Amino acid sequence: QVTLKESGPALVKPTQTLTLTCTFSGFSLTTPEVRVSWIRQPPGKALEWLARIDWDNDKFYSTSLKTRLAISKDTSKNQVLLTMTNMDPVDTATYYCARTLVKSRSSGSYWYFDDWGQGTLVTVSS
Amino acid sequence: DIQMTQSPSSLSASVGDRVTITCRASQSISNYLNWYQQKSGKPPQLLIYAASSLQSGVPSRFSGSGSGTDFTLTISSLQPEDFATYYCQQSFNSPPYTFGQGTLLEIK
Repeated sequence: QVTLKESGPALVKPTQTLTLTCTFSGFSLTTPEVRVSWIRQPPGKALEWLARIDWDNDKFYSTSLKTRLAISKDTSKNQVLLTMTNMDPVDTATYYCARTLVKSRSSGSYWYFDDWGQGTLVTVSS
Repeated sequence: DIQMTQSPSSLSASVGDRVTITCRASQSISNYLNWYQQKSGKPPQLLIYAASSLQSGVPSRFSGSGSGTDFTLTISSLQPEDFATYYCQQSFNSPPYTFGQGTLLEIK
């Protein structure tokens, strides 16, 4: 059974750095078919993909947020970390981690988010 | 980045209705398009990947179609548990991935 769980502070002050941890089980981040992504959702708004880390430590970031984001992994602990610097009230959102899988076919490789954590709400306020 | 635009933003329908939600990409994404359902207070759940492939465990009343820039999600006969928000998401080439703004499906 695949599970993911996000943890981190519920409240951060403007300009602070946020660090979130995704602890997962039921899969390994050591195979090419599996990656882990972070996605956020401000209250009442749409989903926004933030970052992805691959089994070989390749990292990908949102174009608009890449200067503020860093993703890393601890394979031995089955954890993926996300740090976001210079937090602002507009960063108030539920932050999700999600297993990112690929389905390979002759027509291409199709990536999707098939298992998600329950999310953690982060509020940015002084 | 590739922009994804869904329409309508919201719609009201009745149990048993056939419903179609549209998603348009700002450039061709072949069939690298996924659909998710999100219920209030819950994380999204994958319904469709590669534009038309039904995720395991998803009821067959859900179907997806399209290629290039225009895609649709169809629910053939709405059930009470289908009232939720639906998102499309593209995975063309490498990240960044992008989502549509969502379509809220409400009970009429």
